[in-house]
Amino acid sequence: KNEVEQSPQNLTAQEGEFITINCSYSVGISALHWLQQHPGGGIVSLFMLSSGKKKHGRLIATINIQEKHSSLHITASHPRDSAVYICAVVDGATNKLIFGTGTLLAVQP
Amino acid sequence: DVKVTQSSRYLVKRTGEKVFLECVQDMDHENMFWYRQDPGLGLRLIYFSYDVKMKEKGDIPEGYSVSREKKERFSLILESASTNQTSMYLCASSFFLEETQYFGPGTRLLVL
Repeated sequence: KNEVEQSPQNLTAQEGEFITINCSYSVGISALHWLQQHPGGGIVSLFMLSSGKKKHGRLIATINIQEKHSSLHITASHPRDSAVYICAVVDGATNKLIFGTGTLLAVQP
Repeated sequence: DVKVTQSSRYLVKRTGEKVFLECVQDMDHENMFWYRQDPGLGLRLIYFSYDVKMKEKGDIPEGYSVSREKKERFSLILESASTNQTSMYLCASSFFLEETQYFGPGTRLLVL
């Protein structure tokens, strides 16, 4: 079993829909990252969280440390949001990043 | 803005060749990382370096070595490339180990 699990693996949405991507982890962490990877490879960091909630534009990330769960929400989705979204946790014991396998999001016009 | 650059976007090599992948960052970051990314497996850490001339093995170091002679530059070396090293290779850097990592654009390596 992977230490970081994301769901769903693939998601297709219509433009304007509210989208949720989930991340569950099994290790003790000091922080959690949400990353975005567009076709072509470049990865951009969206959020780093250690508690609570963060918002940036139409993106919202939440984390529940007790339940070992985080969600990434996209409001009013747009085709340009189409990308792979990756959850990564910082292992509290080693400080190394452990990555989920990603969620492929396609937003159709 | 942090900039992480990688020497090549695409590379084609033959089995047995020695391959050098270079990564340069311009933000004076202490930590640099090499990952490979394969479908269904996500990103896996090959090696990282927390200071000049210092390195630590990641999860999949076999078949790879690294070099960090200058703070801004971290090289990944495939001593004798094999077909199972065909992958996307991503370099990243950060100031603190647990902080945000900034990624390069990636090098897609094909070993024939």
